[in-house]
Amino acid sequence: DTEVTQTPKHLVMGMTNKKSLKCEQHMGHRAMYWYKQKAKKPPELMFVYSYEKLSINESVPSRFSPECPNSSLLNLHLHALQPEDSALYLCASSPSRGTVYNEQFFGPGTRLTVL
Amino acid sequence: SQQGEEDPQALSIQEGENATMNCSYKTSINNLQWYRQNSGRGLVHLILIRSNEREKHSGRLRVTLDTSKKSSSLLITASRAADTASYFCATLRTSGSRLTFGEGTQLTVNP
Repeated sequence: DTEVTQTPKHLVMGMTNKKSLKCEQHMGHRAMYWYKQKAKKPPELMFVYSYEKLSINESVPSRFSPECPNSSLLNLHLHALQPEDSALYLCASSPSRGTVYNEQFFGPGTRLTVL
Repeated sequence: SQQGEEDPQALSIQEGENATMNCSYKTSINNLQWYRQNSGRGLVHLILIRSNEREKHSGRLRVTLDTSKKSSSLLITASRAADTASYFCATLRTSGSRLTFGEGTQLTVNP
């Protein structure tokens, strides 16, 4: 299995909702990432997990809460989002040994719309 | 500011022609990677070139790296309509542990 899966593909939520994005990989990768991508812009790093521990938080607002329950799963919990948080959220993984030297494998993304 | 800047921002060519995209960066890097993204989809890794390498090939792709000029180029030969996508360079700094993506080049290959 050489892919990263993300669910849901699309999500529409109100500003008072609580929702979660899920990401899964079975390649044995020990580094996992969340990126946010706005239209026609490059991905922006949000969080990095290395060996199930949060190693990088790019000053992301607390309304985004990441979680890594095990080495194959990565969640992003969403609460009280703003319309400007509407974007494509990408998950990625890499065969890291604690540092990012390798290629990253991306999932297809979740298209999030906040009303 | 973005570590990587790419040009052109958009490129439109005919099938069979070659496409060249350039990427410039500002700081010392460990490696530079190129990714492709079809519209609204995830990114696909194309090729990685390390700082001590000058050129790398993969199928119809040729990547060059000039660390003295802090620049890289991606050449796609004999382009196909299926190559239509956005192409991003991404750099891993020697002092960092995160990839930084350039602004991207939107390539359109007309049949």
